[in-house]
Amino acid sequence: EVLLVESGGGLVQPGMSLRLSCAASGFTFDDYAMQWVRQAPGKGLEWVSGISWNGGTIDYADSVKGRFTISRDNAKNSLYLQMNSLRSEDTALYYCTRAAATIAFRPLDYWGQGTLVTISS
Amino acid sequence: DIQMTQSPSSLSASVGDRVAITCRASQSIATYLNWYQQKPGKAPKLLIYGASTLQSGVPARFSGSGSGTDFTLTISNLQPEDFATYYCQQSYRTLFTFGPGTKVEIK
Repeated sequence: EVLLVESGGGLVQPGMSLRLSCAASGFTFDDYAMQWVRQAPGKGLEWVSGISWNGGTIDYADSVKGRFTISRDNAKNSLYLQMNSLRSEDTALYYCTRAAATIAFRPLDYWGQGTLVTISS
Repeated sequence: DIQMTQSPSSLSASVGDRVAITCRASQSIATYLNWYQQKPGKAPKLLIYGASTLQSGVPARFSGSGSGTDFTLTISNLQPEDFATYYCQQSYRTLFTFGPGTKVEIK
């Protein structure tokens, strides 16, 4: 069974940092690109960042570029999101997602349950 | 970046109805269009990828169509468990973007 379990969320003040983690199991982690998607309370989905299977290709949404860093450790089957200079608008539930490997359209076929990040003074 | 829009933003329908949700991309994305369903308090679920291919396990009452910039998600014979919010997402560019969502409510 494919499982994605996020952790690391919490309440922090503006300007602070957080590191999110996603533990993957039930599939060959280094066969897949991975993505972070977030959802502000009561709002829609926002793609945040993506990383290829080997970390060679990384992309960020404009809203987080220069502040967030995505990374992965294939030996630990883990995905990370380092979030610096946090703002109130970063408050959201952060989902770890898997991009289907053998499908050209790269749909996000598995999602974790999310970890909540709250930025407030 | 590619912008995605959806219409309507919400709709009310009855069990057994046929509903259609439209998604439009700001530039051509061929068929790099995926649809997700999200129920309250739950993670999104992949329904359709490549504009028209049903994800394994998704009921056949869901269907997708379109290419280029205009796409449609159709739900035939709406069931109680289909009341949810639906999002389109483009995967043509690696900076994936989602539509704003369409909430399907019970009439």
